[in-house]
Amino acid sequence: QVQLQESGPGLVKPSETLSLTCTVSGGAISSYYWSWIRQPPGKGLEWIGYVYYSGSTSYNPSLKSRVRISVDTSKNHFSLRLSSVTAADTALYYCTRGSHCGGDCYSPYHMDVWGKGTTVTVSS
Amino acid sequence: NFMLTQPHSVSESPGKTVTLSCTRSSGSIVTNYVQWYQQRPGSSPTTVIFEDNRRPSGVPDRFSGSVDSSSNSASLTISGLTTEDEADYYCQSYDSDVVVFGGGTRLTVL
Repeated sequence: QVQLQESGPGLVKPSETLSLTCTVSGGAISSYYWSWIRQPPGKGLEWIGYVYYSGSTSYNPSLKSRVRISVDTSKNHFSLRLSSVTAADTALYYCTRGSHCGGDCYSPYHMDVWGKGTTVTVSS
Repeated sequence: NFMLTQPHSVSESPGKTVTLSCTRSSGSIVTNYVQWYQQRPGSSPTTVIFEDNRRPSGVPDRFSGSVDSSSNSASLTISGLTTEDEADYYCQSYDSDVVVFGGGTRLTVL
């Protein structure tokens, strides 16, 4: 059974870059879409963006200028970089897998596996 | 882009049936699939409904989903409520390669 594990610094200074990695175990990163979702304290879920195993991406328009998501198939992991962070970027960050909808169909739009999440605090 | 609007909170008694709504602000709700996620306190979200009305294996048939073009909304219905159903529920859809979550509904079973 595939499992996802987020890792990265729990504390980032304002104006710096947040960097997280999601390691995929129990399954291959190939063929699937991989997303980052975040949840500010006490608030709802916000989609950050996704990367396809081939490297193509799509981002939340509200974050697009600051976000980069990349994939490393050789290491079976994918990563998030969010630049120029502020306190508003303080959140629990989840990595997720898009679903296999059958045959050659893989979708980024239904996230069927989630990591446990990692908390990132932006503070000086 | 569009928004998905959910009631902030809903309460219902054990054994009863509750329906949670999710209204799309623009564009048709039937154009793109809707998913529903359950998030219990301290846990990651899990899917209870995908592709409008399909249940993942392991999700009881007490959970059902539907979409209604006339109200441009999706609904999650939970019958035979138990205290285990107490959680936050998020609807989610997409358009033009952008994923959107609703703000979530806190379901209290008391």
